[in-house]
Amino acid sequence: DAGVTQSPTHLIKTRGQHVTLRCSPISGHKSVSWYQQVLGQGPQFIFQYYEKEERGRGNFPDRFSARQFPNYSSELNVNALLLGDSALYLCASSWGQGALRSYEQYFGPGTRLTVT
Amino acid sequence: SQKIEQNSEALNIQEGKTATLTCNYTNYSPAYLQWYRQDPGRGPVFLLLIRENEKEKRKERLKVTFDTTLKQSLFHITASQPADSATYLCALSGANNLFFGTGTRLTVIP
Repeated sequence: DAGVTQSPTHLIKTRGQHVTLRCSPISGHKSVSWYQQVLGQGPQFIFQYYEKEERGRGNFPDRFSARQFPNYSSELNVNALLLGDSALYLCASSWGQGALRSYEQYFGPGTRLTVT
Repeated sequence: SQKIEQNSEALNIQEGKTATLTCNYTNYSPAYLQWYRQDPGRGPVFLLLIRENEKEKRKERLKVTFDTTLKQSLFHITASQPADSATYLCALSGANNLFFGTGTRLTVIP
């Protein structure tokens, strides 16, 4: 079975540009979460989607947005990129019903975003 | 807000010994605590989950304890091997997300 997949693997953007990152969850998983991981830190929660609805949002500015499609895949969008947005962006899926507290997360390999 | 501290940034240990990693947290009472392994440039991989009413959980060479009074979890790897070298993250369960610590980088020396 395929795990969580993310695309692209690497991306270089310029300040002020927009970026879209994509994620496909494990088959059967309806919950997708996005995390940002800056070098040397643990992942920080950005969004959680379940059944195409936003169920949770971390402490990130409105420049960050996401959506989930009927096939449960997801996109993370970041507008007006800043140098500080450079990070590894991780997508995780689970079969938990909205509340993540009970279920482990299955992470993708991440997208390495570099903003210059 | 919740704060999660993992005992050290890096831990070096001789092959065959038991590695013990510590996770302390404040300002929170999680129902579940999880441990993940992360290799460089890869996403975290789930290892173990322990519930607040469980004192200890084991999986092969891994053991996790959870003390809700001390607000602490200990993660043990027995008979450590060089292949166990990685960063280990503890994560507390939120209502709809995970709060991660900064991780401990474990190096097992042959």
